[in-house]
Amino acid sequence: NAGVTQTPKFRILKIGQSMTLQCAQDMNHNYMYWYRQDPGMGLKLIYYSVGAGITDKGEVPNGYNVSRSTTEDFPLRLELAAPSQTSVYFCASSYRSVGFIGAKNIQYFGAGTRLSVL
Amino acid sequence: AQKITQTQPGMFVQEKEAVTLDCTYDTSDPSYGLFWYKQPSSGEMIFLIYQGSYDQQNATEGRYSLNFQKARKSANLVISASQLGDSAMYFCAMRDQGGKLIFGQGTELSVKP
Repeated sequence: NAGVTQTPKFRILKIGQSMTLQCAQDMNHNYMYWYRQDPGMGLKLIYYSVGAGITDKGEVPNGYNVSRSTTEDFPLRLELAAPSQTSVYFCASSYRSVGFIGAKNIQYFGAGTRLSVL
Repeated sequence: AQKITQTQPGMFVQEKEAVTLDCTYDTSDPSYGLFWYKQPSSGEMIFLIYQGSYDQQNATEGRYSLNFQKARKSANLVISASQLGDSAMYFCAMRDQGGKLIFGQGTELSVKP
């Protein structure tokens, strides 16, 4: 019963390095999301996707890129890591049936990736 | 602009007592959803309870209930019979019409034995 799987769990990057945070879900959810959580704060949306091939910016997209080539996978790319990107990153997914106003569309989260940029 | 406000940075409660965590929201959308998530010290985000804007009754899930007051735009979480394992951060979130979640800053709950 995997749900949402994120890899790696921890990573230390040097300034200017790049990396990809992996996210995979096995629940056949159409919507997927990337959030970041800074210390003592709530989560902020970086990017989201409503289906394969469709992505859109959230509240804090600068410095990140995403792609969604399959329903299952939604990787997050950091091109030039900066200390301001030190955070915990969460991937989430949900099934959203558009037009059904009573639907819960609960987002299920992965365990998170703790990233430090030094 | 849509916003979620949690005004209690930290709360203490005695084991076996009930506790209310406050959440107010601001939106002009008629259709929205309200969620509570628990984040224990291990870091994962655990879904607790959901309330839809059109739901007539307050949501309940086991020891969790949501006191939904639509006119006041509040969605407080009530935990009954607190347990030591309830010690965690609790986040209130609102889903907008586009399906995105907006989170509050969280309330840290500590349950005393």
